[in-house]
Amino acid sequence: VQLVESGGGLVQPGKSLKLSCSASGFTFSSYGMHWIRQAPGKGLDWVAYISSSSGTVYADAVKGRFTISRDNAKNTLYLQLNSLKSEDTAIYYCARRGARGYFDYWGQGVMVTVSS
Amino acid sequence: AIVLNQSPSSIIASQGEKVTITCRASSSISSNYLHWYQQKPGAFPKLVIYSTSYRASGVPSRFSGSGSGTSYSFTISRVEAEDVATYYCQQGSSNPNTFGAGTKLELK
Repeated sequence: VQLVESGGGLVQPGKSLKLSCSASGFTFSSYGMHWIRQAPGKGLDWVAYISSSSGTVYADAVKGRFTISRDNAKNTLYLQLNSLKSEDTAIYYCARRGARGYFDYWGQGVMVTVSS
Repeated sequence: AIVLNQSPSSIIASQGEKVTITCRASSSISSNYLHWYQQKPGAFPKLVIYSTSYRASGVPSRFSGSGSGTSYSFTISRVEAEDVATYYCQQGSSNPNTFGAGTKLELK
């Protein structure tokens, strides 16, 4: 199993960014997937979830601004980040959902910095 | 949202010492849905214990977990240098999934 995030970078407040997570080594379409973030020096903060059937759930802090999606043909998970705020600055990890709600595989993370 | 209160926030231990971390939930969780992660400095988190007491693949037997309802614990029976990390509990019982604030383990 391998998860590789990309698309991070420095962006101004109010702007947008789209993160990708390329999956391999398992049947991507059969698994729910999550995005989790970690602000510098802080703890883990769950962001969003998409089920294998593309149902979605969001943390209150990002609801209406972020959109999680997936392309099973490309084995890729996405996170569209709109109306970015300084408090969205973090490492963003994608993770696979295990059978009982744990995160059994994680990507290495991608840094998003929101600053003017 | 279920809040997970993790304590202590930091531990300084000697090699060979036993350490225990506690995770208390604001409401009852099925033990099937309480999990523990290890995050070493500069690395992504790694699943260590799932469903309260089951060790993930490749995890040494010195790591264990127990608990039920609203009270859970994570124990390292004999700390080794490679265990220096921050440990997090997590509940996957209800949305939003939540994490404890973390416990930073350092060696004396």
